[in-house]
Amino acid sequence: GAGVSQSPSNKVTEKGKDVELRCDPISGHTALYWYRQSLGQGLEFLIYFQGNSAPDKSGLPSDRFSAERTGGSVSTLTIQRTQQEDSAVYLCASRPRASGTDTQYFGPGTRLTVL
Amino acid sequence: AQSVAQPEDQVNVAEGNPLTVKCTYSVSGNPYLFWYVQYPNRGLQFLLKYITGDNLVKGSYGFEAEFNKSQTSFHLKKPSALVSDSALYFCAVRDGLGFQKLVFGTGTRLLVSP
Repeated sequence: GAGVSQSPSNKVTEKGKDVELRCDPISGHTALYWYRQSLGQGLEFLIYFQGNSAPDKSGLPSDRFSAERTGGSVSTLTIQRTQQEDSAVYLCASRPRASGTDTQYFGPGTRLTVL
Repeated sequence: AQSVAQPEDQVNVAEGNPLTVKCTYSVSGNPYLFWYVQYPNRGLQFLLKYITGDNLVKGSYGFEAEFNKSQTSFHLKKPSALVSDSALYFCAVRDGLGFQKLVFGTGTRLLVSP
């Protein structure tokens, strides 16, 4: 079946602009995660959604970052007033359930470049 | 907090030789450990995981990993490397009982030469 999809695959923006990154999880997966992969920080957790529960935002690096998940499916990560240090690959992952030992499956990522 | 360490930035091996990519962990409670692989310009692909049971876990593409509790290690292995195995490998540990985010190691680049 279809895996996790993300769009756009690449995004180049100017410093100070807002960007939106989209994630379509695997159908039926209730848990959704955003991670960031950057040269200086490696792979780091950003935010987690589970069903209708309040998201865990403990990994968001600043208040310029926000995310929402509509209808328990598609998620959008928004970065306001982008900075050059926001340049990274943003990865989305989904899991079938919130608990248990299920595997997280990752999308191909969105490469964000802030000029 | 849970953590994993990958002590090698890069591992070089000749095609046909066995390969090992090292990972050690530090956890409180039972460790749930994962290996992922990332090919150039691609997302992370799941290889295998250890939850409980047999210490030798078999995964995709002929890879396996050995869980060693006394050495707190979870090394990735393959008996015979292929050039196509060249990629970036990440060890990860589940952190948190609730939402279970993954905490990743810094990654090890595997280079298999013909």
